[in-house]
Amino acid sequence: GDSVTQMEGPVTLSEEAFLTINCTYTATGYPSLFWYVQYPGEGLQLLLKATKADDKGSNKGFEATYRKETTSFHLEKGSVQVSDSAVYFCALRESNNNDMRFGAGTRLTVKP
Amino acid sequence: KAGVTQTPRYLIKTRGQQVTLSCSPISGHRSVSWYQQTPGQGLQFLFEYFSETQRNKGNFPGRFSGRQFSNSRSEMNVSTLELGDSALYLCASTEGIGYTFGSGTRLTVV
Repeated sequence: GDSVTQMEGPVTLSEEAFLTINCTYTATGYPSLFWYVQYPGEGLQLLLKATKADDKGSNKGFEATYRKETTSFHLEKGSVQVSDSAVYFCALRESNNNDMRFGAGTRLTVKP
Repeated sequence: KAGVTQTPRYLIKTRGQQVTLSCSPISGHRSVSWYQQTPGQGLQFLFEYFSETQRNKGNFPGRFSGRQFSNSRSEMNVSTLELGDSALYLCASTEGIGYTFGSGTRLTVV
C-alpha cells in the first residue's frame, strides 16, 4: 500500500542554520504530497502542499519540490528560527482515496 | 471562518468505560476524518465520514466507531476502554485536497 518514509529525528540545529528533512513515498497512483507541522499541545497545521510532479510548495520560508523520478518531497528552509521548533510530518493522499498517509514525524529543535 | 473544533480537549477515563469525542468541521466541509496519535505508533487513520456515510476505515477493532450528522459534525466512540487507547485523537475536515485539523482530544485511560 501507499506509504511515506521520513528521516528519523530528532534534529537539532542552531538558529539560522539550513534545514533539510527528507521524505520519500511509495504510491500506486499520482498522489498529492503535503508537509504538516505540529506544535506542542496542538493539532497538525498544513505547511505546504504539491499536487503534481515538479510542483514546488512553499510557505513561511519552507519549500519542498515534488520529485516523481526519485519519489521524494524533501522539506527545506534556508535559515531556521527558534520558533520553527516543532514536529514535521510528511504525508500523501491518493487522488482516488481520501485516506491521508503520514510519515512518522521528525522533531526539530532550534537552539538560539 | 472558524476552524475545526474538537471537544473536550482532555479526558480521563477508567478501563472498561466508554467515551465519546466530538468534532465540528469547518463550515461547508462534508468530509471528516479521525486519527489516533501515539508516541509509539504515530498517526494512524481511524475512519472517514462523508455526508453521513463512512467512506473509509482504518485497521482498528470494532470498539472504535463513529458517525456523522446531517450538519457534518462527527462523533467517535470507544467502548470498553483499554490502557492502550490513551492517545491524542485528531479530527480533520476537508472539502478539497488538504486537511484542516482540530487541536485534538487527549484521552488518558487509567
